[in-house]
Amino acid sequence: DAGVIQSPRHEVTEMGQEVTLRCKPISGHDYLFWYRQTMMRGLELLIYFNNNVPIDDSGMPEDRFSAKMPNASFSTLKIQPSEPRDSAVYFCASSKQGQSHEKLFFGSGTQLSVL
Amino acid sequence: DAKTTQPNSMESNEEEPVHLPCNHSTISGTDYIHWYRQLPSQGPEYVIHGLTSNVNNRMASLAIAEDRKSSTLILHRATLRDAAVYYCIAEEYGNKLVFGAGTILRVKS
Repeated sequence: DAGVIQSPRHEVTEMGQEVTLRCKPISGHDYLFWYRQTMMRGLELLIYFNNNVPIDDSGMPEDRFSAKMPNASFSTLKIQPSEPRDSAVYFCASSKQGQSHEKLFFGSGTQLSVL
Repeated sequence: DAKTTQPNSMESNEEEPVHLPCNHSTISGTDYIHWYRQLPSQGPEYVIHGLTSNVNNRMASLAIAEDRKSSTLILHRATLRDAAVYYCIAEEYGNKLVFGAGTILRVKS
């Protein structure tokens, strides 16, 4: 199993540009999560999906952020327009539906720098 | 989800056991105790979880107090590769986890 795959590994962009982060969850997993990690705020849950449907997006910071999951094997997190304060590591994670205490599997993250 | 309290950092010697404490005094009867760790430049990884009984796996042991208001993650023989941030989470649903600041574990050779 390849695990959760995120791309790109690093992204450097200029303020005002659109940024798209990508995630491929583990095959057979029903839940997909997007987290953001910064030194100041730690790991924050932004949004999660169940069976491709967004369930809770209360952690999305503002309208500049949007996430989609068009099918079971792909999700995107888009920031438009990007700002320097969006600089962070963005993690995608997936888990399998079933028992409520299923464990999360995280990707390696995307290091985003907005100049 | 219940609030958890962990020490900011701990230090251990290589090849010695490590006991990482976590307080969760407001835990509810249906909250599981989950432990994850994050190695440098990596995403968090699952370590162990439990509800009431002590749990063991190949990575660690989890000792849960009888009143469930605290728990301890036990690494039986710390290695340099165990240096990481360890997160304790008390949450009913293991697939919607809210991470706190965690404990930074330093392992000395």
